[in-house]
This record gives sequence, C-alpha cells and structure tokens, in this order.
Amino acid sequence: NAGVTQTPKFRVLKTGQSMTLLCAQDMNHEYMYWYRQDPGMGLRLIHYSVGEGTTAKGEVPDGYNVSRLKKQNFLLGLESAAPSQTSVYFCASSYSSGGPSGANVLTFGAGSRLTVL
Amino acid sequence: LAKTTQPISMDSYEGQEVNITCSHNNIATNDYITWYQQFPSQGPRFIIQGYKTKVTNEVASLFIPADRKSSTLSLPRVSLSDTAVYYCLVGDLNDYKLSFGAGTTVTVRA
Repeated sequence: NAGVTQTPKFRVLKTGQSMTLLCAQDMNHEYMYWYRQDPGMGLRLIHYSVGEGTTAKGEVPDGYNVSRLKKQNFLLGLESAAPSQTSVYFCASSYSSGGPSGANVLTFGAGSRLTVL
Repeated sequence: LAKTTQPISMDSYEGQEVNITCSHNNIATNDYITWYQQFPSQGPRFIIQGYKTKVTNEVASLFIPADRKSSTLSLPRVSLSDTAVYYCLVGDLNDYKLSFGAGTTVTVRA
C-alpha cells in the first residue's frame, strides 16, 4: 500500500518553462490537495479537489493549474515557471464524509522539490 | 476554518514530557481539533484528533477543556526523533481549505 506518491521528487526549471507534478493515491480517497511550503513556513493550499472531474482554488492558486481526470490522480501544472514558485510541493488526500473521523484527516506524499532559476 | 495560535518553538530534553498548547477562541460547534507532525524533508503526518475531553493514542495525548477554546498536545518522554514541527488545525468535515500555520518547532536535545 503506497499511500500518496508524488512524481518527480526533484526538478530544476528555467524561468518560463512548464512542467507537471503528478500525485497518485491508492486509498480510494475522494479529496485531494496540492500545497506549497516555503522555507520556515507552514503549508499553503494551492488547489484542491473534492472528487473526480472537480477542482477548486485554495489560498495561493495564481500561476498554477490542476486537473483531476481520474479519482486516484491529481496533477499540478505550472505553465510558465517563475523563481517565486521555487518551493517544496506536497500532495495530500483525505476521506470523504463517511470516513471514521469528524474532520478531514490528510495523508501526505513525500514532497516534490522544485527550483526555478 | 477557526484561527489557531501556537508557540513558534519549544526546547526540551530526552525523557521529558512536552506540552504544546494551541489557542482557538473562535472554534465552532462542529469543529474538531487535529494535530500533525512534520519531520524535515517529509510531508506532515496525522498524530491525533479530538472533539472534547481527552484523547490518547500510542503517540500522544490531546487534552481539550470544556470550553474548547484551547487544546494541549502532550508528548510523553520525548526522544531525539520527536524533533519536528507540530501543527494544530481546527475545522469540521466540510473544511476543504485546510491551511497549516507556521506550527511549533520542537527541538529535543540529548
């Protein structure tokens, strides 16, 4: 049981290049999330999805796009990378209502470290 | 999502108990309190969740007073491997926009 898997783990881009981060979960979770974490900071929500085919903006969505074509996958795209997007990106997933907890409990991936030069 | 306030950092020594208090004065009736732990270069991981009174698992205890305006995460007999950032989140099942604050950096020394 792999949990949440992020690909790639590391990537270096030049300003203006594009790329896609892939998140895959094998827990049949309904909800998926993309966060970014800058040095010494907490995690900020970029986009999230409450089900296949649906996405919504989080706290810091500008410069990013997402897609959830399959329930198990959540893709984060950078169309034109900027140095300000240098960060560690974390994907997470959680149960739908009907899970055992009263509030969303997130399972995180190991992170993808992105550097934009 | 109810706003939370927790200390920026705490220092401790191996074998001691560490208590981290989180303030959440605006907690709503349906909100739960959830704590996560994050080691360097890793994603956060769930530690414990509670609604009221006390919850205990193999990792920690969570104490919640009757007014629920604060909560305390207790880590018994910490070791060097408990050095991490600890985040307190408050929200209910429909809180999808879950953002983590700066958390509390706990440093355990030998």
